[in-house]
Amino acid sequence: SQKIEQNSEALNIQEGKTATLTCNYTNYSPAYLQWYRQDPGRGPVFLLLIRENEKEKRKERLKVTFDTTLKQSLFHITASQPADSATYLCALDTGEGKLIFGQGTTLQVKP
Amino acid sequence: NAGVTQTPKFRVLKTGQSMTLLCAQDMNHEYMYWYRQDPGMGLRLIHYSVGEGTTAKGEVPDGYNVSRLKKQNFLLGLESAAPSQTSVYFCASSRGQVSGNTIYFGEGSWLTVV
Repeated sequence: SQKIEQNSEALNIQEGKTATLTCNYTNYSPAYLQWYRQDPGRGPVFLLLIRENEKEKRKERLKVTFDTTLKQSLFHITASQPADSATYLCALDTGEGKLIFGQGTTLQVKP
Repeated sequence: NAGVTQTPKFRVLKTGQSMTLLCAQDMNHEYMYWYRQDPGMGLRLIHYSVGEGTTAKGEVPDGYNVSRLKKQNFLLGLESAAPSQTSVYFCASSRGQVSGNTIYFGEGSWLTVV
């Protein structure tokens, strides 16, 4: 069955450092991959979308890579700030009009 | 611009009771979705709709029913609530197929079944 894995352990980093979050998937070849941010008690908010033919996508301090050979996406936040603390979700397009989500990785940026 | 609005935000039900969660979007989106989120499980798709009058099953549809009588509204019903349905429910919408389209989420509805 299709499976998406994100590191369930929280990621703790110091302010100013680069945070790197991982999303691995199996048994699927998605055309698109999306990343969302979710704050406690709130709904997820879209951050970035990357297509299978794009190796890298950037938006301000955010960078996403998509390696279809490794079946992996990396999500980077450079010059991290305490305000970046949240849970980050990756999601894959199933090709059937649906997205399936990973369980999310919680990032804690300490001042 | 309200985006996606869910009501109610919090609800406690007794086992066997029924209830309906209402979702409304003001972005004229064709697609709407209901997800549930449980600790360690991520977001799981319950049902979705690709347009007014249509519905389809997602990953975990059992115990739920949905209706999309109007384009802007998507209702999620629990006919006979069970403790296993205790969860946070998120409604979402997108302009078209998720392929290349952003999904916009509501703020969530917290449901507890006792």
